[in-house]
Amino acid sequence: GAVVSQHPSRVICKSGTSVKIECRSLDFQATTMFWYRQFPKQSLMLMATSNEGSKATYEQGVEKDKFLINHASLTLSTLTVTSAHPEDSSFYICSARGRGVDTQYFGPGTRLTVL
Amino acid sequence: AQSVSQHNHHVILSEAASLELGCNYSYGGTVNLFWYVQYPGQHLQLLLKYFSGDPLVKGIKGFEAEFIKSKFSFNLRKPSVQWSDTAEYFCALTTDSWGKLQFGAGTQVVVTP
Repeated sequence: GAVVSQHPSRVICKSGTSVKIECRSLDFQATTMFWYRQFPKQSLMLMATSNEGSKATYEQGVEKDKFLINHASLTLSTLTVTSAHPEDSSFYICSARGRGVDTQYFGPGTRLTVL
Repeated sequence: AQSVSQHNHHVILSEAASLELGCNYSYGGTVNLFWYVQYPGQHLQLLLKYFSGDPLVKGIKGFEAEFIKSKFSFNLRKPSVQWSDTAEYFCALTTDSWGKLQFGAGTQVVVTP
């Protein structure tokens, strides 16, 4: 089956610093990648959709300047949380979908804690 | 805008009991429907999906779901659960070609031995 990895799995940073999270599709080409955020005991909320080689499309209420998304290749997308604050602490999950494929495959998530 | 609601936030049942998790959605057009499962400490996995055709969909691990268009529902069922079915279950839908998923709030299922 299709495998999606995320790195790091867990990160702790100081307020005001930036954090980069990587999402990789290991055995397929991901033409579309999605970034979600999951608060404790809540559902996943879609943050943005990115297609390889083009700018990400952000959901309403998501600050594009704060959550920078780059989908530079067919196997890698990155999410950078800029100038992180404690309220950005959350579980960030990516998913990937190949061309012509109707199923998204999810990464294991990254737990971000901002002190 | 579309939405997905899951009726039960927390379900506790014994092994061998039958499980049914409710999922309703609101959207006037064509939808694709999914059930995902998240086992403790693991990533989301697809249990089953419905796009078109037979409204009774069979998925992995003995799960099935029935799409009832008139009720805007896509309930998940399993006739006999096991302890290993302890997990969080999410109903989700897509309405566009991008495949953007809208998730329900999730149902935590605990199966006791």
